[in-house]
Amino acid sequence: KNQVEQSPQSLIILEGKNCTLQCNYTVSPFSNLRWYKQDTGRGPVSLTIMTFSENTKSNGRYTATLDADTKQSSLHITASQLSDSASYICVVSANTNAGKSTFGDGTTLTVKP
Amino acid sequence: KAGVTQTPRYLIKTRGQQVTLSCSPISGHRSVSWYQQTPGQGLQFLFEYFSETQRNKGNFPGRFSGRQFSNSRSEMNVSTLELGDSALYLCASSLTGAYGYTFGSGTRLTVV
Repeated sequence: KNQVEQSPQSLIILEGKNCTLQCNYTVSPFSNLRWYKQDTGRGPVSLTIMTFSENTKSNGRYTATLDADTKQSSLHITASQLSDSASYICVVSANTNAGKSTFGDGTTLTVKP
Repeated sequence: KAGVTQTPRYLIKTRGQQVTLSCSPISGHRSVSWYQQTPGQGLQFLFEYFSETQRNKGNFPGRFSGRQFSNSRSEMNVSTLELGDSALYLCASSLTGAYGYTFGSGTRLTVV
């Protein structure tokens, strides 16, 4: 069964600090892995998309890494800001159809001043 | 360019009623997918439409249905509402269904 597990479930950090969120998956065959940021009550917003051949992708202060061999991904946030407080969702797709995507339960990040 | 538009933003319905939610994708996007998000279950895939045809369907009862029109706009219908249907319903569009999807802000449905 395809699964995506994210850790930690929740995280509290101080403004300006860095943090790393983890995503482990068992989805097969692998097509792509996406990280989304979701503010409370809003729809998810795409941060990064990585295919099998990509092992690092950055979007501003967000850097995602992918190790396809160990089926692990991480999202590193540098110099956190209060606006980074949100839920971060990892999504892994077995092919290019929406129905073949498996969603993680997300990591809730709280950045405190 | 305009993003994915979902209407209405908030909705309160009574048990047993039916509801229709609307999603207007980004211009040119032909794939529209629907998701249910609840605190306990996270994001759950409902179905995907591509060029007016349902391409994929998640594990939801037949009370949940959808359709897509020739202009790619999509509607989702839930009949005989139950309390457990209370959730944030999200729609996402994509050019072909590959890779990145753009989500709308969702419709918050409350069933009382």
